[in-house]
Amino acid sequence: GQQLNQSPQSMFIQEGEDVSMNCTSSSIFNTWLWYKQDPGEGPVLLIALYKAGELTSNGRLTAQFGITRKDSFLNISASIPSDVGIYFCAGQVNYGGSQGNLIFGKGTKLSVKP
Amino acid sequence: EPEVTQTPSHQVTQMGQEVILRCVPISNHLYFYWYRQILGQKVEFLVSFYNNEISEKSEIFDDQFSVERPDGSNFTLKIRSTKLEDSAMYFCASSRENTEAFFGQGTRLTVV
Repeated sequence: GQQLNQSPQSMFIQEGEDVSMNCTSSSIFNTWLWYKQDPGEGPVLLIALYKAGELTSNGRLTAQFGITRKDSFLNISASIPSDVGIYFCAGQVNYGGSQGNLIFGKGTKLSVKP
Repeated sequence: EPEVTQTPSHQVTQMGQEVILRCVPISNHLYFYWYRQILGQKVEFLVSFYNNEISEKSEIFDDQFSVERPDGSNFTLKIRSTKLEDSAMYFCASSRENTEAFFGQGTRLTVV
């Protein structure tokens, strides 16, 4: 089945640092989504990408939909303590107008450096 | 801001018992989903529902699982005879056509 490889698995940040994570797949997706999940909560949508090559920003977050439609990255600039959490990429394939399900990456856990 | 709501937030059940997890999707959404997340792992697709029928389901969604939209607002997931390995967070999500899915806060199911 379709799988997403998300990296890194975890990273430690100091406040003010820029952060970068990415997802790759052997399959093509129509849509790439980035979610953040806090402990005990549901995933919260950060950015949605619908077109190959699309670069979209949401505040300090920037994400791109790869030209090949098989990858995406998420950058967080000037990180702050509340950026801590788990970030998931998700790809979606739409079949002839019918909405497909989301395939999730394994997540990138963002923690604060002691 | 409209949101997906799920009840209960936490359910503890004995192995072999039936459970029903409830969701109220966002009102103008057409596609409904159930996902689950075993502790510490990624979110996994279970089933999608559109136009009053299942449109897609994963291998996890076996005969023990069923979904229903009993009225115009609720969307339920039933597990007929729970197993220990069914313990997980279960997330409901909904979306409009060709748009992103919004997730509820989840129901933590603990099977003992």
